[in-house]
Amino acid sequence: NAGVTQTPKFQVLKTGQSMTLQCAQDMNHNSMYWYRQDPGMGLRLIYYSASEGTTDKGEVPNGYNVSRLNKREFSLRLESAAPSQTSVYFCASSLGTGNSPLHFGNGTRLTVT
Amino acid sequence: KQEVTQIPAALSVPEGENLVLNCSFTDSAIYNLQWFRQDPGKGLTSLLLIQSSQREQTSGRLNASLDKSSGRSTLYIAASQPGDSATYLCAVPTGFQKLVFGTGTRLLVSP
Repeated sequence: NAGVTQTPKFQVLKTGQSMTLQCAQDMNHNSMYWYRQDPGMGLRLIYYSASEGTTDKGEVPNGYNVSRLNKREFSLRLESAAPSQTSVYFCASSLGTGNSPLHFGNGTRLTVT
Repeated sequence: KQEVTQIPAALSVPEGENLVLNCSFTDSAIYNLQWFRQDPGKGLTSLLLIQSSQREQTSGRLNASLDKSSGRSTLYIAASQPGDSATYLCAVPTGFQKLVFGTGTRLLVSP
């Protein structure tokens, strides 16, 4: 049972380059999320998708776009990377009911130089 | 705006000790609180979810309590083991399923 799978695990970009972070879950979950984790700031929500076909902004959406490709997959795109986007990115999923726990992937460590 | 604070930021204990991790939140209008564990270089693993109607949840050597009126939750770890060494985070929802996280308590249990 793979759970939540993120690719790639590591990435180095130059300022201005673009890339897409991929996320897939095999738990038939309705809701999916993208968080970033920075030292001293905890995890912050970038975007989320409450159900297939919907996406909404979280706390720190600027500089990112998302696509809920189907029920399993939720991608995060950086169109023009900036050093401030250096972070560890986590994808998560949940059933989407009010009291369902979140399940996280192992993260993508992104460095923008 | 909901803010979540975890104290202490780091904790080092010898194996076998019972310990308590603290989590406080500023807005008591929550419908649950979750505790997670994060190992270095890994994602978060859900440990316990306490619904607002509950006061406690238990899983093995872990016990989490919730006091909404005071804006506090505690995670109690009994008979700590080196394998418990990790960062522990708490999180509360703001709006539907949007979690606000604390910055965590880094726990080291020495043999």
